[in-house]
Amino acid sequence: QQQVKQSPQSLIVQKGGISIINCAYENTAFDYFPWYQQFPGKGPALLIAIRPDVSEKKEGRFTISFNKSAKQFSLHIMDSQPGDSATYFCAARRISGGYNKLIFGAGTRLAVHP
Amino acid sequence: DGGITQSPKYLFRKEGQNVTLSCEQNLNHDAMYWYRQDPGQGLRLIYYSQIVNDFQKGDIAEGYSVSREKKESFPLTVTSAQKNPTAFYLCASSVKSNQPQHFGDGTRLSIL
Repeated sequence: QQQVKQSPQSLIVQKGGISIINCAYENTAFDYFPWYQQFPGKGPALLIAIRPDVSEKKEGRFTISFNKSAKQFSLHIMDSQPGDSATYFCAARRISGGYNKLIFGAGTRLAVHP
Repeated sequence: DGGITQSPKYLFRKEGQNVTLSCEQNLNHDAMYWYRQDPGQGLRLIYYSQIVNDFQKGDIAEGYSVSREKKESFPLTVTSAQKNPTAFYLCASSVKSNQPQHFGDGTRLSIL
């Protein structure tokens, strides 16, 4: 019930295309769903996040779609660029022992080819 | 510049040796965290601290120890009891424990 399942494991997209990464969860106690972007040798950086009372959130070329009934959420990267090539992690947050705990997906390695 | 500094970037440990990874933040954040990242896996929580002089075990605390004597510092010791220490270690902090976490650039630990 604590898992967050992320797919695909790797993704190749042509420049200008749409990158789509999916995540699914079981625990309905999760209350916040962030996405992180990680470049090689660097720490993850918060990209965009959504709460379950919202079905979609857009920031620039990045959009989160959230389906509460299906317990799924996804990241869409529009007009993908080579600079978007990175590993992307979804996460889900729940309260555990008075602390807000993040559960991470396994990551998706995105390669955008010119 | 405000941020989270982890040092060293690369660290090598001999069998049976304890090593300490440094994490310093000048963001005035109350909460700090240590994660372990292995290839093909998500981040797993080792320890977290919501306030100075307090810390709690995460999901994989065995073989690790921490201290939080100062607000800006949260060092992680990888002890000889940790049988598989080779990994990328990430430190994070947040204003409070219910706020977004921000990460340092990690320390890669390898066994000689």
